[in-house]
Amino acid sequence: DGGITQSPKYLFRKEGQNVTLSCEQNLNHDAMYWYRQDPGQGLRLIYYSQIVNDFQKGDIAEGYSVSREKKESFPLTVTSAQKNPTAFYLCASSKTPGQVVATNEKLFFGSGTQLSVL
Amino acid sequence: AQTVTQSQPEMSVQEAETVTLSCTYDTSENNYYLFWYKQPPSRQMILVIRQEAYKQQNATENRFSVNFQKAAKSFSLKISDSQLGDTAMYFCAFNTGTASKLTFGTGTRLQVTL
Repeated sequence: DGGITQSPKYLFRKEGQNVTLSCEQNLNHDAMYWYRQDPGQGLRLIYYSQIVNDFQKGDIAEGYSVSREKKESFPLTVTSAQKNPTAFYLCASSKTPGQVVATNEKLFFGSGTQLSVL
Repeated sequence: AQTVTQSQPEMSVQEAETVTLSCTYDTSENNYYLFWYKQPPSRQMILVIRQEAYKQQNATENRFSVNFQKAAKSFSLKISDSQLGDTAMYFCAFNTGTASKLTFGTGTRLQVTL
C-alpha cells in the first residue's frame, strides 16, 4: 500500500546532540513538508520541498535542516541550535507542488515522531 | 498575515447528537481553500472536508458538513449523528492555493460520550 512512513515513532535527544527524523513516501509525490505540533497549538510549517534537490524555509526553520536527495525521502535534522525541540513532528506530501489545482488534491500525513529531550 | 482562530478548546457531545465546531479566519486574499482535519488519539492527521472559497455551496461529506460564510470569514463544521469514533482533535486550516502554506488553528478537542 502507498503511504508515508516516519521513523522512529519516539526519539530522545541529549543536550547538544543533532538528531535526524526520517520520512519516506512511495506515493510518487513531488512535494514534501515538515510540520511541528506543540500541545495546545496547531501545526506549524518548518520546511518544504517541491522538487528534488530544492527546499524552502517555512515559518519556524531556525534550528532545523533538511535535504531532498531523492524524491521519496525528506529527512529532517533537529540541530543543537534548536533550544526547545520537544514536540510532535509530522511529515506530509502532496502530488502537485505549488498551486493546488485539483479538487481532490490534499496533503497525506505520516504517523509522526515524538521528540523529547533527555 | 493570515490567521485561523478556533475559539472552543474543548467540546462534548452525546452519541447520535449534532455538534458544531467554529472557525474564523482572516485574509486579504479572494481565492483560497479551507479544510477541517481530524486528529484521533493515534495522532494521524485525517482530512475530513474541504471548501473552495469560490464555491458558494457548502461542502458535505456524509455526516460532516460545513457552514461557509465568506463575508463573515467563518467556516464551521457540523457533525451529525455523532459517533464514539468522532472523538478527536479537530483542526481548521486555510491556504491560498499553495499546499505548502497551510495555516492551522489551535484545535478543538471533541469528546463524544454515551
